[in-house]
Amino acid sequence: AQSVTQLDSQVPVFEEAPVELRCNYSSSVSVYLFWYVQYPNQGLQLLLKYLSGSTLVKGINGFEAEFNKSQTSFHLRKPSVHISDTAEYFCAVSSTGGGNKLTFGTGTQLKVEL
Amino acid sequence: ETGVTQTPRHLVMGMTNKKSLKCEQHLGHNAMYWYKQSAKKPLELMFVYSLEERVENNSVPSRFSPECPNSSHLFLHLHTLQPEDSALYLCASSQEDRDGTEAFFGQGTRLTVV
Repeated sequence: AQSVTQLDSQVPVFEEAPVELRCNYSSSVSVYLFWYVQYPNQGLQLLLKYLSGSTLVKGINGFEAEFNKSQTSFHLRKPSVHISDTAEYFCAVSSTGGGNKLTFGTGTQLKVEL
Repeated sequence: ETGVTQTPRHLVMGMTNKKSLKCEQHLGHNAMYWYKQSAKKPLELMFVYSLEERVENNSVPSRFSPECPNSSHLFLHLHTLQPEDSALYLCASSQEDRDGTEAFFGQGTRLTVV
């Protein structure tokens, strides 16, 4: 069994400030890690994913995430946010060799203010 | 048309009605999924179809009945729903035999049960 914890339900931040959205996971097997973004009244869109190799993963819209195996974390970061980044962000895992069924966290609402 | 398309986008139904949600994917994937998204809860995986066979059913009430006539189409038949079934229902697809590939999501159907 695997689980994902997103401790922050809401993160307010001013435009052009940096942001970090936290994600921790637990699993008895190796995992793949994903961040998805959901804009209002939309489905989920992939931001980035970690499969193997370099622990720093770059995604779309200037986001990046770092896989930390010892801390079982996959935090999402952006050095300077824009108003258009206001959305809900979901961290997810799937297990290696287990197909592509995703287990999601509860999501973090990022609100960018002027 | 590309991606994953869901219809209708919005649905209001009474508890005694019967309705169906439709999902179509144009990505050539061989697995399709139904997820339920309720406020403040993690996305809940309801059903998984791989190669048109249902491979997972996560203890979903029988008032939800999925159907996958081919690898491109997925339906969710609804009958005698309860108000707590009001949620955003998301369809997704992926390539099941390629580990670590991401799921692609439709825009969802916002269901309100009155």
